[in-house]
Amino acid sequence: GNSVTQMEGPVTLSEEAFLTINCTYTATGYPSLFWYVQYPGEGLQLLLKATKADDKGSNKGFEATYRKETTSFHLEKGSVQVSDSAVYFCAHLMDSNYQLIWGAGTKLIIKP
Amino acid sequence: NAGVTQTPKFQVLKTGQSMTLQCAQDMNHEYMSWYRQDPGMGLRLIHYSVGAGITDQGEVPNGYNVSRSTTEDFPLRLLSAAPSQTSVYFCASRGTIQETQYFGPGTRLLVL
Repeated sequence: GNSVTQMEGPVTLSEEAFLTINCTYTATGYPSLFWYVQYPGEGLQLLLKATKADDKGSNKGFEATYRKETTSFHLEKGSVQVSDSAVYFCAHLMDSNYQLIWGAGTKLIIKP
Repeated sequence: NAGVTQTPKFQVLKTGQSMTLQCAQDMNHEYMSWYRQDPGMGLRLIHYSVGAGITDQGEVPNGYNVSRSTTEDFPLRLLSAAPSQTSVYFCASRGTIQETQYFGPGTRLLVL
């Protein structure tokens, strides 16, 4: 069935470190892929997305590339800041009812 | 634009009580959804709507009802609250299938 698997958190890094949060998906076809971010006490907001294979989504220094060969959409950032501390969710769009399938979320903690 | 608004922000219920979580959006979006967020489980879809008068069940619909009499409003009703319904509830909307989903700030529900 359809699913999204993210690396378990929390992920704790020092400021200016390199970030990777892994995300793999199971789906039929080539669904659109998303990363959402949830800051403490807030709702989720879109961070970036990719709608077809080999697309790269980017925003606020974060990037993710749609890899159909490995069914992955890993999130990366070259130099994280304390303000990046949040929970990050990977998701894909289901073809059958156009609803989003969500990963469990990865909590990111950045220490100064 | 207020975006997606939810009320109340926090609610405590006793087992067996009923209540309605309100959700409204002012972006003229056709698609609206209700999710619950539980620790370690990401977001799970409760019900969704693809337009006024049309609703459908998501992954975890039992114990919840919805209606969509207008484009703007999408209330979620708990018929007889149970402790298992203790969660954070998010309402979301989007204009078309591929567009970004916008989330409300959430309602934290505690059922005793």
